[in-house]
Amino acid sequence: DARVTQTPRHKVTEMGQEVTMRCQPILGHNTVFWYRQTMMQGLELLAYFRNRAPLDDSGMPKDRFSAEMPDATLATLKIQPSEPRDSAVYFCASGPSSGQNSPLHFGNGTRLTVT
Amino acid sequence: KNEVEQSPQNLTAQEGEFITINCSYSVGISALHWLQQHPGGGIVSLFMLSSGKKKHGRLIATINIQEKHSSLHITASHPRDSAVYICAVSRGSQGNLIFGKGTKLSVKP
Repeated sequence: DARVTQTPRHKVTEMGQEVTMRCQPILGHNTVFWYRQTMMQGLELLAYFRNRAPLDDSGMPKDRFSAEMPDATLATLKIQPSEPRDSAVYFCASGPSSGQNSPLHFGNGTRLTVT
Repeated sequence: KNEVEQSPQNLTAQEGEFITINCSYSVGISALHWLQQHPGGGIVSLFMLSSGKKKHGRLIATINIQEKHSSLHITASHPRDSAVYICAVSRGSQGNLIFGKGTKLSVKP
């Protein structure tokens, strides 16, 4: 059963440290999303890619966050430097086809705690 | 005002009860999604619909495009249905989702 894989599942780090989260989308999916979930805000879009090209990263604080897809099997989300307010669960999701409405497949998330 | 509103925010039911979760949206959409999130777990897509009604096992999702409203029903609820149910809408062809705040369902045995 194909699934979206995220690593690490949990990350605890100190303020100021760099954090890298990784996502392996389902093979053949060409749309990849990064979402952040907090108790206060719920799920929010950070960035998304189609065919590895960034299409929208308006939800991402540009000064500290960066998202890339070095190849079709890997998406990364980096935070440098991390801050306590970045503590959240970060979800990656992939979709089977650009330009069509299809259910998204979510990873299990990375739970980030910044102290 | 949020573009996607869900009600109720929290719901407690007894095993066997019929459950309804509501979702209203204020924007034009291309599809509406119902998602399920178990505590500490990932997010699973239950339904994607743009009209009418869909059924999967004990779950039924309906949508009324004119009224901009959708409902998720669970028949013969079971404690394993306890989870957060999230309504989300997609706009245009991009596939990006706008989420409601979720409904936390607890089904007691």
